[in-house]
Amino acid sequence: GDSVTQMEGPVTLSEEAFLTINCTYTATGYPSLFWYVQYPGEGLQLLLKATKADDKGSNKGFEATYRKETTSFHLEKGSVQVSDSAVYFCALPTSASKIIFGSGTRLSIRP
Amino acid sequence: GAGVSQSPRYKVAKRGQDVALRCDPISGHVSLFWYQQALGQGPEFLTYFQNEAQLDKSGLPSDRFFAERPEGSVSTLKIQRTQQEDSAVYLCASSSGHLQETQYFGPGTRLLVL
Repeated sequence: GDSVTQMEGPVTLSEEAFLTINCTYTATGYPSLFWYVQYPGEGLQLLLKATKADDKGSNKGFEATYRKETTSFHLEKGSVQVSDSAVYFCALPTSASKIIFGSGTRLSIRP
Repeated sequence: GAGVSQSPRYKVAKRGQDVALRCDPISGHVSLFWYQQALGQGPEFLTYFQNEAQLDKSGLPSDRFFAERPEGSVSTLKIQRTQQEDSAVYLCASSSGHLQETQYFGPGTRLLVL
């Protein structure tokens, strides 16, 4: 069945460091792919999405490219800030409309 | 309202008690979802409504869990005879109803069963 596997955390980086959080998926067909973010004390928010192969989703300096050949959707940011500290979830919407989430990666940024 | 709201935000229940969790979706959203998020895990799907019809309840962990959306707007998730393993954050999300459309999440209800 459909599934999402993402890099386990926690991940701790210094401010301005480069970030990569790996995500791979297994799915039938060619679904959209999402990254959601959960800031401390807040609800889940959609960070970015890509709807087809080779699409790049981007928002707030984060990017992720939908790569069909490697079934991946890795999240990257060139220079992280303290305010990026949060839990990040890779997610796969299924044909049945529900979303399958990865287990989440907790990111902490040191000033 | 501007977003999805849930109440209560926190609930402490004694084992064996029944609880009811409420979700107010974004006005006009056809689809409504419930998810359960255990500590340190990603959300897991429980059930899905399109208007008042419950189209998928495959994620409900037992027959103690029941959800309804009688008028196609507000939804209630009820857990009967709560157990300690029910302790989690319960998230509600809504969407416009188009396939794979963005789901907007509420802040969640944190349930602790003692």
